Amino acid sequence: AQTVTQSQPEMSVQEAETVTLSCTYDTSENNYYLFWYKQPPSRQMILVIRQEAYKQQNATENRFSVNFQKAAKSFSLKISDSQLGDTAMYFCAFMKQPGGGADGLTFGKGTHLIIQP
Amino acid sequence: DTAVSQTPKYLVTQMGNDKSIKCEQNLGHDTMYWYKQDSKKFLKIMFSYNNKELIINETVPNRFSPKSPDKAHLNLHINSLELGDSAVYFCASSQDWTRRFFGPGTRLTVL
Repeated sequence: AQTVTQSQPEMSVQEAETVTLSCTYDTSENNYYLFWYKQPPSRQMILVIRQEAYKQQNATENRFSVNFQKAAKSFSLKISDSQLGDTAMYFCAFMKQPGGGADGLTFGKGTHLIIQP
Repeated sequence: DTAVSQTPKYLVTQMGNDKSIKCEQNLGHDTMYWYKQDSKKFLKIMFSYNNKELIINETVPNRFSPKSPDKAHLNLHINSLELGDSAVYFCASSQDWTRRFFGPGTRLTVL
């Protein structure tokens, strides 16, 4: 079974600062996907970024980037120039490549990120 | 324009009652899911349906039953509600299995 660990229950930074959220996972799979989801106070789950394990290049989406270290099973999220609207719960998630039908996501317990004005 | 919608948004009910949460997606996706988010914000998959076939069923009590009348709908029926069922329930859909589109969630409160 896969596990996803987010060791920071809550983080707080000033607007415009850069913040890094940590995530580690445990799996025996070689092919898999990793995700960061954002859940603002509106409760909506929004995909922020995803990474295929077979790709060495770190994924980036505008101000969001990841540091994927496959050997260390680490998948951190960096938010540059943080904005007030980035305040949300952030969930790291793992998905193994399915063998015959879709598979579900395994989520970490989340990090509550607060951006201070 | 809503991609994945759920009704109701809030549901408050008494212990022992039977209730349903509806989910609809207008994306033409083949697979739909139900997730449960507990009071500690922990998200866990409950079910997924692909072309009307249940393909995942985690260790969920059989009081919970997903029903899919067609590819665009996956409703969640819950019988004999218990206090521990209080949570936020998310519906999601996907075509590319690696990307989920989530609904807005339904907050269920059992009194």
